[in-house]
Formats: sequence, structure tokens, C-alpha cells
Amino acid sequence: EIVLTQSPATLSLSPGERVSLSCGASQSVGRSLAWYQQRPGLAPRLLIYDTSIRATGIPDRFSGSGSGADFTLTINRLEPEDFAVYYCQHYDIKPPYNFGQGTRVEI
Amino acid sequence: QVQLLQSGAEVKKPGSSVKVSCRPSGDSFSKYNINWVRQAPGQGLEWMGGIIPLYRTANYAQKFQGRATITADESTSTVYMEVGRLRSEDTAVYYCARGNLLCNGGTCDSVHYFENWGQGTLVTVSS
Repeated sequence: EIVLTQSPATLSLSPGERVSLSCGASQSVGRSLAWYQQRPGLAPRLLIYDTSIRATGIPDRFSGSGSGADFTLTINRLEPEDFAVYYCQHYDIKPPYNFGQGTRVEI
Repeated sequence: QVQLLQSGAEVKKPGSSVKVSCRPSGDSFSKYNINWVRQAPGQGLEWMGGIIPLYRTANYAQKFQGRATITADESTSTVYMEVGRLRSEDTAVYYCARGNLLCNGGTCDSVHYFENWGQGTLVTVSS
């Protein structure tokens, strides 16, 4: 099965800053990579799918890039509501459709 | 916007079973894959398995093979997940999540990124 490794585990930043989160796959997943945001007590929210396509209603300060086994989520100009945990997930052909362990973005 | 409505919180004894339900709103229940993702307290997301109601066959993460069963009832448009032989480590919030369809020239394939999520069901396993 494909293992996703996210780095770093935690980032401490200020509103207005730019941040890049990394997700590495144990083997190529092509572009079948999604990113989710999870705020405390809430279900995850899809941000990005197919590596770089923003989901419905996601602001353009969120962008995704990469291919194969290395992916990045970038958030420009952090807003207060962006402080949350971010997960990557692959959905390459076969299950299990694993998630990374998450990166916490904190103030 | 599709909504997924899950059943309420459960408290179970070790060794027992729990069955959680998920009912998506809207049409086309049979065509979309429905998945179960769990989150233990303070931990990350864990994909457990999923089903396409039309095909009735579920896929599971190896960790849950033989202990979890995912089924779909088309008459009530509801997906169920039952986990048996519960232990304290199964204490978690269980989410259902709907995947998507990628259609091209009349042919559609399931894709397993999840735009729609249920509200979560807390299952507590305690003696």
C-alpha cells in the first residue's frame, strides 16, 4: 500500500504569512492527490483534488502543485480561519486510499 | 450540496459490535462510492473502507478486513458500517464520506477524493 508522509508535523506562523506544506508518497500516485483542512470538532473539508484543482468555494489563496511522489500545498496570506490541521490523501487506482499523518498550522 | 446524515453516538462494551449508518441526500445514491474514515482522539484520519451501492462489493483497508463490514441498502438509500470485536482502541469519530464520478463520453469511473462528509459519529468503547 502507498504511504504518505507529511512534513513538517507542526508549523507556527502569523496571519498574513505564506506557508508551504509537503506530502511525499512511497510510490508514484500520478496526480491523484487531494488536500483537506480540518478545524477542531469539524469534519474534514476538501481543499484541492487532482493535485491542483480547487474544490468548490475554496479561496484562491490555496494552491496545490506536484506530481508523482512529491506534492505541495501552498497557502498565501494566512487568514485566522486557516489555522487548522491539513491532510493529504491519495486516490490512485487501488485502495487503501490512505491519508498522511497531518500538518498542524498554528498561530 | 449533498449532505450525509449519520446515526448518533454509541457507547459499547469491549468485544461487542457497533453499526453506524450514513444516509446521503439527493439522487444517484447507487452510483457514488461511500467511504468510512475514522479519527481516534487527537489522531489523524484513517480510511477504513468503501462501497459503491450499485455493485454491492466493499473494499477494506487490510487492518479492518474480517472485522468491519460495509453494506448498502438501496431501498432506504443508506450505507452501514458494522465493526465487531470492539476494543478500546476503536474509540473514535467515524465519518462517512462520498467520493465522486469522473465521466467521459458516457463512461463514468469512481474517484475516491471526498468532497462531502457526514457530521461524524462518536463511538466510545469502554467497560
